[in-house]
Amino acid sequence: GESVGLHLPTLSVQEGDNSIINCAYSNSASDYFIWYKQESGKGPQFIIDIRSNMDKRQGQRVTVLLNKTVKHLSLQIAATQPGDSAVYFCAENKGGAYKYIFGTGTRLKVLA
Amino acid sequence: EAGVTQFPSHSVIEKGQTVTLRCDPISGHDNLYWYRRVMGKEIKFLLHFVKESKQDESGMPNNRFLAERTGGTYSTLKVQPAELEDSGVYFCASSQQPPDSSGNTIYFGEGSWLTVV
Repeated sequence: GESVGLHLPTLSVQEGDNSIINCAYSNSASDYFIWYKQESGKGPQFIIDIRSNMDKRQGQRVTVLLNKTVKHLSLQIAATQPGDSAVYFCAENKGGAYKYIFGTGTRLKVLA
Repeated sequence: EAGVTQFPSHSVIEKGQTVTLRCDPISGHDNLYWYRRVMGKEIKFLLHFVKESKQDESGMPNNRFLAERTGGTYSTLKVQPAELEDSGVYFCASSQQPPDSSGNTIYFGEGSWLTVV
């Protein structure tokens, strides 16, 4: 069935280093992908999205890469800060559908 | 502009009791969604409203769950009777348009954290 998964459940990164969070998806028909950040006790917060006609999209300190050949999505965070500590979810959506399929999440721990 | 708001933020109830969760979407958003995340698992879709109409409730676990959106504004999600496996966080989200590849994304509330004991 359709699924979106993450390779690493927990990622520990030194403050100031770059972080890379990976996600695999199985539905080749998905054409919209989103990264959410969930801090403790809060709801998922939109970070960045990318459409399937793009390979890369940059935001402020974040970059999303999409590799449709291997159905892989990644989130890169530059100069990771303590405030980046959270659980990160990737989600996929198929055009015309209204529900997101989420992965299980990756916990990012930023070490001082 | 106020975001998606949910009430209560936390609730602890006994097995067999009833709990009603409320969601107020972002003003002007016709699309309202309920998702939930049980411990250690992914966030899963429950249902989708467009205004007051249920478009898809395929994710609702069973008939103990009832969602309503009378008047097309706020929504409630009732669990009756609650079971232990219902524990988790229930997220409400809203959007102006359904999410699609044009970049119409959805915005989540902070969740209602439910513990059934």
